[in-house]
Amino acid sequence: GAGVSQSPRYKVAKRGQDVALRCDPISGHVSLFWYQQALGQGPEFLTYFQNEAQLDKSGLPSDRFFAERPEGSVSTLKIQRTQQEDSAVYLCASSLGQLRNYEQYFGPGTRLTVT
Amino acid sequence: GNSVTQMEGPVTLSEEAFLTINCTYTATGYPSLFWYVQYPGEGLQLLLKATKADDKGSNKGFEATYRKETTSFHLEKGSVQVSDSAVYFCALTRNYGGSQGNLIFGKGTKLSVKP
Repeated sequence: GAGVSQSPRYKVAKRGQDVALRCDPISGHVSLFWYQQALGQGPEFLTYFQNEAQLDKSGLPSDRFFAERPEGSVSTLKIQRTQQEDSAVYLCASSLGQLRNYEQYFGPGTRLTVT
Repeated sequence: GNSVTQMEGPVTLSEEAFLTINCTYTATGYPSLFWYVQYPGEGLQLLLKATKADDKGSNKGFEATYRKETTSFHLEKGSVQVSDSAVYFCALTRNYGGSQGNLIFGKGTKLSVKP
């Protein structure tokens, strides 16, 4: 079956532009996570959805970052007025639910470069 | 707070050498522990996991044992292959009863295996 997909795979934005990154989780997966991976670093948590509810957004670095999952499936991460420090790979992961034995499956990521 | 520290790379080994990548963690409660692998050009994949103390996770010849007394989860493989060349990430999730939270990653260790 299909895994987690993300689009676009690569995005170049001029500083100050708004960008929208899309995540298509595995069908039926209730939980959806966004992570940010800077070059040479491990992924860092941004936000978490259970179905359409955003239960944790403690990792969003500023109010320029906004995420939504209105119908409980596809999710969009939006970054307004991009800055150079936003350059990173943005990873989406989904899982069947919150139970401890459920694995998080990662998408290939969107590499954002802000010039 | 919760954090993961893993040995810095890069690590370069000859084929069939023994591999150890050290990982220690700081966490409240009883986290689950993971090793993820990122092959060149691919997304993050779960390599192995352990959900309670003294559990041993294993996959593809890799092993790691959850050691609560030393707060460690070191990754080992007895004989590495060129195809094991990748970046390895140690990670944990905080657990709330039967539920898990987001993943917290170490910085990653790049492994290169030479023929």
